Amino acid sequence: EVQLVESGGGLVQPGGSLRLSCAASGFTFSSYWMHWVRQAPGKGLVWVSRINSDGRSTSYADSVKGRFTISRDNAKNTLYLQMNSLRAEDTAVYYCAREMATSFEKWGQGTLVTVSS
Amino acid sequence: QSALTQPASVSGSPGQSITISCTGTNSDVGGYNLVSWYQQHPGKAPKLMIYEGSKRPSGVSNRFSGSKSGNTASLTISGLQAEDEADYYCCSYAGSSTWVFGGGTKLTVL
Repeated sequence: EVQLVESGGGLVQPGGSLRLSCAASGFTFSSYWMHWVRQAPGKGLVWVSRINSDGRSTSYADSVKGRFTISRDNAKNTLYLQMNSLRAEDTAVYYCAREMATSFEKWGQGTLVTVSS
Repeated sequence: QSALTQPASVSGSPGQSITISCTGTNSDVGGYNLVSWYQQHPGKAPKLMIYEGSKRPSGVSNRFSGSKSGNTASLTISGLQAEDEADYYCCSYAGSSTWVFGGGTKLTVL
């Protein structure tokens, strides 16, 4: 069974940093492009970032470019999102998702990041 | 990277059909046949319902169908059931390895 389990969320002060992890199991992680998608409380889904299967190619939404870094460790079957210079507007549930045909085929349960003083 | 436009809410009675629209631009919806649709129940992760505009993943009911005309994509749900009540989001590839979601539509089954 395909499983994606996010962790690393929590409360952080504005300007602070946090690293999210997404542990993958039940499939060949190294064969898939992966994404991060977020959802602010009571709001809609927003695409954040994507990484290709070998980790050499990444892309970001304008709102996080220069502050967030997506990476992966295929030996550990884990996806990461390093978030720096966090702002109140980054408060959201962060989901990792496996891509299939440019869609988000499988999702984790999400991890909540709260940016507040 | 402006969000795609969806109606805030739609409603229908059990057994009826409803359609949710998703309007973008020539740079996203109109430029690619790569629109996907997601169903999200409260407190749950989204679920893929339609990809590449009109394809259904294995296990998704054939009551769900997708289409596109110009810069507008549509999701149609036929034979509405109580369990279809959820939020629905469209998403389109927007070029340069970026994606854009719609604002979401709340479906109420009356």
